[in-house]
Amino acid sequence: QVQLEESGGGVVQPGRSLKLTCEISGFTLMNHAMHWVRQAPGKGLEWVAILSYEGSHEKYADSVKGRFTISRDNYKNIVYLQMDGLRVEDTAVYHCAKDRNGVYYYGMEAWGQGTTVTVSS
Amino acid sequence: QSVLTQPLSASGAPGQRITLSCSGSSSNIGANSVSWYQQLPEAAPKLLICGNNERPSDVPDRFSGSKSGTSASLAISGLQSEDEADYYCAAWDDRLNGLVFGGGTKLTVL
Repeated sequence: QVQLEESGGGVVQPGRSLKLTCEISGFTLMNHAMHWVRQAPGKGLEWVAILSYEGSHEKYADSVKGRFTISRDNYKNIVYLQMDGLRVEDTAVYHCAKDRNGVYYYGMEAWGQGTTVTVSS
Repeated sequence: QSVLTQPLSASGAPGQRITLSCSGSSSNIGANSVSWYQQLPEAAPKLLICGNNERPSDVPDRFSGSKSGTSASLAISGLQSEDEADYYCAAWDDRLNGLVFGGGTKLTVL
């Protein structure tokens, strides 16, 4: 059974950092590209980042470029999202998701329930 | 303002067929395949369609996708009460070099 479980969310002041973790089970992580997608309260889905199966291909939304970093450890079955310079507008539920493809986007076929990040002074 | 444009809401009666639209441009839908996601209340999104019209094995064949030029559609036939959800389209955008979503359509089953 494919499972993705995010953790690491919380309340943080603007400008501070937070690192999210996505632990996976039920599939071979090294075969799939992985994403982070966020959803602000009452708003739609916003894609954040993608990292290819071996970690060589990474892309970011303009809204987080230069502040967020996606990484992975295929042996520990974990995907990370390092978030630096957090802003109020980064407040959202953050989901990690598994792509059907190993390098480029094709479709996010499994999602975690998400972890909530609140940026507030 | 989302890069892909979807109507805010749609509605239909049980058993009806409904079509949800998604409009983009030459750099996203016009150049790449479209995916569709369903998000039930208080739940994580679920992939319904990828590659314009490919349906994962766990998705009922009542759901189908199509694409023409810079627009795409999701059709739901035999509408059921459990189809009441938010529906999002998505496509890779070559100009932005990232994935873009539509703003979502809230489907109400009357």
